[in-house]
Amino acid sequence: ETGVTQSPTHLIKTRGQQVTLRCSSQSGHNTVSWYQQALGQGPQFIFQYYREEENGRGNFPPRFSGLQFPNYSSELNVNALELDDSALYLCASSLPVLGSTEAFFGQGTRLTVV
Amino acid sequence: DQQVKQNSPSLSVQEGRISILNCDYTNSMFDYFLWYKKYPAEGPTFLISISSIKDKNEDGRFTVFLNKSAKHLSLHIVPSQPGDSAVYFCAASDPPGDMRFGAGTRLTVKP
Repeated sequence: ETGVTQSPTHLIKTRGQQVTLRCSSQSGHNTVSWYQQALGQGPQFIFQYYREEENGRGNFPPRFSGLQFPNYSSELNVNALELDDSALYLCASSLPVLGSTEAFFGQGTRLTVV
Repeated sequence: DQQVKQNSPSLSVQEGRISILNCDYTNSMFDYFLWYKKYPAEGPTFLISISSIKDKNEDGRFTVFLNKSAKHLSLHIVPSQPGDSAVYFCAASDPPGDMRFGAGTRLTVKP
């Protein structure tokens, strides 16, 4: 059973550019969530995908978008990067069952916008 | 709008003693609560959870207590070990299951 993997691990982009982050979910998990963790803060929910459909969204602007593929892997796309987008981006996969929502995280992608 | 709060940014305890990490929430719709542990350069690791229909859940050295009337939960680690030193995040979720995290508490267990 493979865990959640994210790529790349580190990335440096220039303000105004676009970035795509990738996530492979844990085997058997059909739900993927993305989080942004700024320095000194807890992870902030960006959005969740369930069976290729967006299934909830946090307080992030439309320039944050995502995709989930038939194999349940996922992408996070951020357009028009801003300096404040510099953060650790975490992907978490889960298999929601009634009363249980444990999610398993990847190691994250550290994005620096300069 | 911070719905989950961890008011202690850090906690230091002696090895063998009890560690108590606290968390408060404001949204009464939350029905599931989780604790994650995070080491540097790693993603958060699931530790223990509790459903809103319970007030206690125990797993080895880790026990989570939930007080719904006070909207408060706590994580007890007994006995604390140096390997427990990490940042601990409290999280809460409501259907369909997206989690809201606190800012974390850095636990240091001294030998």
